[in-house]
Amino acid sequence: ETGVTQTPRHLVMGMTNKKSLKCEQHLGHNAMYWYKQSAKKPLELMFVYNFKEQTENNSVPSRFSPECPNSSHLFLHLHTLQPEDSALYLCASSPDRLAGSYSYNEQFFGPGTRLTVL
Amino acid sequence: QQQVKQSPQSLIVQKGGISIINCAYENTAFDYFPWYQQFPGKGPALLIAIRPDVSEKKEGRFTISFNKSAKQFSLHIMDSQPGDSATYFCAASRAGGTSYGKLTFGQGTILTVHP
Repeated sequence: ETGVTQTPRHLVMGMTNKKSLKCEQHLGHNAMYWYKQSAKKPLELMFVYNFKEQTENNSVPSRFSPECPNSSHLFLHLHTLQPEDSALYLCASSPDRLAGSYSYNEQFFGPGTRLTVL
Repeated sequence: QQQVKQSPQSLIVQKGGISIINCAYENTAFDYFPWYQQFPGKGPALLIAIRPDVSEKKEGRFTISFNKSAKQFSLHIMDSQPGDSATYFCAASRAGGTSYGKLTFGQGTILTVHP
């Protein structure tokens, strides 16, 4: 496997369910990101992890809980979601937020998990 | 202050034509402006990026034009091909401080190139 992978690719869940999204990057990067992509809206940054430490929480509701056990893996734990949380959830990674080169900003995205909350 | 406004929302171009997508930003601290391309069922992928110390950057058929005084930048796709049909996102970020590495995205432009 190369690049950034996400599982599952599609998920349907009820409002009372608990599920987790998984992201894995095979690029040796140190920063990982969760984004939410809704129709006709800009990509919304949710969380940023750099060297396994959370450095950004963009006012995300507590029903979304991220976990980064190491620099290669990122999880998004979901519980008691709302129908408006239905969206494409994208994971991305980048070499190192603190690198001295402008190329630090190149983020490599996974294919996303299409989440539907009933 | 953190917004990036992108237009048009959708664009239809004939094969061989020029596709132009525009973005405007407000935060003068932004110093990195990438464009991402997204095909259905895929995540966005970096297409081309520019820094504000140059006014234009070209890679193959893709060119970014940057106007620092107007706080605008645009993507030009020359000789547009049906395979270019995708959603294009502009983005911006600034170095330093707590926003280091944080990309602010435009709303996206759905480009359709007819054969």
